Amino acid sequence: RKEVEQDPGPFNVPEGATVAFNCTYSNSASQSFFWYRQDCRKEPKLLMSVYSSGNEDGRFTAQLNRASQYISLLIRDSKLSDSATYLCAVIPNNNNDMRFGAGTRLTVKP
Amino acid sequence: ETGVTQSPTHLIKTRGQQVTLRCSSQSGHNTVSWYQQALGQGPQFIFQYYREEENGRGNFPPRFSGLQFPNYSSELNVNALELDDSALYLCASSFSRQETQYFGPGTRLLVL
Repeated sequence: RKEVEQDPGPFNVPEGATVAFNCTYSNSASQSFFWYRQDCRKEPKLLMSVYSSGNEDGRFTAQLNRASQYISLLIRDSKLSDSATYLCAVIPNNNNDMRFGAGTRLTVKP
Repeated sequence: ETGVTQSPTHLIKTRGQQVTLRCSSQSGHNTVSWYQQALGQGPQFIFQYYREEENGRGNFPPRFSGLQFPNYSSELNVNALELDDSALYLCASSFSRQETQYFGPGTRLLVL
């Protein structure tokens, strides 16, 4: 089993749709969780950190479920500019060797 | 922009050669992590440097080595290049070891 697994995708949605991504992690001692966005042939850019209480940033909402060991990202009112690959990342222990999922590609169409 | 820079942006090498990639961390950051990202995959952790010391290593062979300088910039060296080393190499800097990481634009390495 991979340490971090994401929905395989790709997701193709119309503008204005709501889309949700899930990510599971295998190490129950994991401490920190993140969502990154990566555009084609570019570096990952931090979208948001994920906190135990859940957090929201505009149209984006991240949730953490420690009991089931998964994190989620919800995007409301999708925009064309949201088209990208979304990577979840987990820091498994008190180290900082961040582990990434393979990413889920999202395409938002007019 | 994150303030993390990498050089060169692209590089073509042949099998068996050696390569050095460079990374300048964001101002105020003392930790640099290096990742390898193959096409269609997520970044894979190579190693991390914190205050000039290696602070963790992923599942990469010893021919992948690095160092960090007093100004916290860093180098990644790869010896005896193999075809499978072709990838995007990313560095990320952070304020400290367990803080959020910010990525540079990457170096795209092609090994022929």
